[in-house]
Amino acid sequence: GENVEQHPSTLSVQEGDSAVIKCTYSDSASNYFPWYKQELGKGPQLIIDIRSNVGEKKDQRIAVTLNKTAKHFSLHITETQPEDSAVYFCAAKDFGNEKLTFGTGTRLTIIP
Amino acid sequence: GAVVSQHPSWVICKSGTSVKIECRSLDFQATTMFWYRQFPKQSLMLMATSNEGSKATYEQGVEKDKFLINHASLTLSTLTVTSAHPEDSSFYICSASRGDNEKLFFGSGTQLSVL
Repeated sequence: GENVEQHPSTLSVQEGDSAVIKCTYSDSASNYFPWYKQELGKGPQLIIDIRSNVGEKKDQRIAVTLNKTAKHFSLHITETQPEDSAVYFCAAKDFGNEKLTFGTGTRLTIIP
Repeated sequence: GAVVSQHPSWVICKSGTSVKIECRSLDFQATTMFWYRQFPKQSLMLMATSNEGSKATYEQGVEKDKFLINHASLTLSTLTVTSAHPEDSSFYICSASRGDNEKLFFGSGTQLSVL
């Protein structure tokens, strides 16, 4: 089955700087890679996703890059703000599979 | 956008009682819903997958008689924790798929505390 590793587990960034979170996956059949943001006591919120036929996707301050050959994908947050502080999860799945496999999460703290 | 509503957001119950958690897709029909459990500072652990009108598929190690799942309509799935015990205390989260087999949208979660 799929295995997703996520690094780092914690990340502190000065407000205004960029944050990068990296994930690797094991199943070459995986072709859908979403990122979720989870605030304390709430459910995960989809913030961006990417399919395997695309190498990069951007939405305002958030971008995701995918390297299929190396089987890794990354989340980039630029111009970080205090409200970006949360736990971020990457995930992966095969289009024909219903289940998402989640990474272990990254606790991002933005220092004012 | 796709909204998934989950209720209650928190519940406290006595040991031995049963608790029902509801998950509703508000603006789309969810052919598949998922139930997760999350312990503090940990990732989401998939408990079961439910498809409308059929029995849920449970992950290995999840007791189907303890965690009853009903997906009676395309907009509602329920999770009932039967005879709850303190070790069942956890954050339970549902998610729903619109049927395009891709994007998953999550409910806001339910914090269950069993005394």
